[in-house]
Parts: sequence; structure tokens; C-alpha cells
Amino acid sequence: NAGVTQTPKFQVLKTGQSMTLQCAQDMNHEYMSWYRQDPGMGLRLIHYSVGAGITDQGEVPNGYNVSRSTTEDFPLRLLSAAPSQTSVYFCASSSPPGGTAPQYFGPGTRLLVL
Amino acid sequence: KQEVTQIPAALSVPEGENLVLNCSFTDSAIYNLQWFRQDPGKGLTSLLLIQSSQREQTSGRLNASLDKSSGRSTLYIAASQPGDSATYLCAVGAWETSGSRLTFGEGTQLTVNP
Repeated sequence: NAGVTQTPKFQVLKTGQSMTLQCAQDMNHEYMSWYRQDPGMGLRLIHYSVGAGITDQGEVPNGYNVSRSTTEDFPLRLLSAAPSQTSVYFCASSSPPGGTAPQYFGPGTRLLVL
Repeated sequence: KQEVTQIPAALSVPEGENLVLNCSFTDSAIYNLQWFRQDPGKGLTSLLLIQSSQREQTSGRLNASLDKSSGRSTLYIAASQPGDSATYLCAVGAWETSGSRLTFGEGTQLTVNP
């Protein structure tokens, strides 16, 4: 199993540009989520999905869109990039929360918005 | 709103020392608590998961305890090694009106000196 994969690993954008961060998992997990990690603020939940076709907002959803058309993929879209979105983005997946299964994280995407 | 605090923020110890990392949380209505390891520039790796009904979990030289009533967890690392150097993150899982939520602390940066 490849686990959770993310592309790209690093991206530089100009303010106002749009892009999609890709996330895929091959563990047949129903639950997938996106976090951003910033110094002094820890990891914060952006959006999550409990299954194909079902998504919901997390703690910091503004400026981001998600969709879940398949179990495997959960892309994160930045509609109009802003310098405040400079961060490291992590995708995670797991079996349904509340059980004994841990969350598995991807290696992250480092985004710099100029 | 759940808040997770980790103390100390950084810790430097000589090789071979036993050490304790602390995590506290404000809302005891959790379904589990996880300890993660994060190496520089990498994603998060789950170390131990404790369900709310459990008191502790062990894996090799690692032991994590949970006292839900007092809102505290500790991660005990025995006979520390330079390879243990990393940032250790504590995260609590809880159900909220909008769904499940994993709230992270900011981490303890551990350096084990040879």
C-alpha cells in the first residue's frame, strides 16, 4: 500500500492564482480530511469528508473548496490564493472516527503564496 | 471549544534518559487521544492511540496514559535514543455538532543528544 499520497510536494503561487492540491489513499478509508500547519497554531482542520459525495467544513474553511467523487481521492482547491494561505497542508485518512483506527497522514504540500 | 496544550514546548536530553511529555485538554468528552511523531519536513506518524475507555497503551519503549477526568495524558519514552529526536504531537478526538473533530496541540520538540 502507498498509504496517503499528496501532490505536489512544494508549490509557489502568486496572489490571486488558483490551484488544486491532490490527495489520494489506497486503504479504502471512508474518512478523509485536510489540515494546515502553521507555526504557533498547530494543525487546524480545513475540510473533511465521511464518504464519497459527503463533505463538511472544519475550523478554517474560508478560501478553500473540496469535493469527494471517489473513496480514494479528496482534492483541495484554492480559489484565489492569498499570502495568508502560505502553509504546509496535510491530508489524512482513517476508518470512521471514534474507533480504534488511527489517522494516516500524507507527507504534506508546502505552499508559498507571494 | 476544545483546547490542547503540550508542555514543554522543547526538551533536550542526553541519550539513555527516560522522559515524559505532557498533554492537557479542556473538554473531557473525547472518544480517543492519539500521540503522533513528526520529523522535520515530513508528515505525521501515529505512535499510540488510547480510546476514552482505556487508561494506557504501550508500544515498545513508548507508554501513553490517559486520565480523562483530569484532562491529561502523558507519553513516557524509556531509554531515549538520538533517533527519537522529533516533534511529538498530541491530538484528541471528539464529537461535535458538525461531526467528529481531531484537535491538536502545538507539540513538544524533542532532541536526544548522543
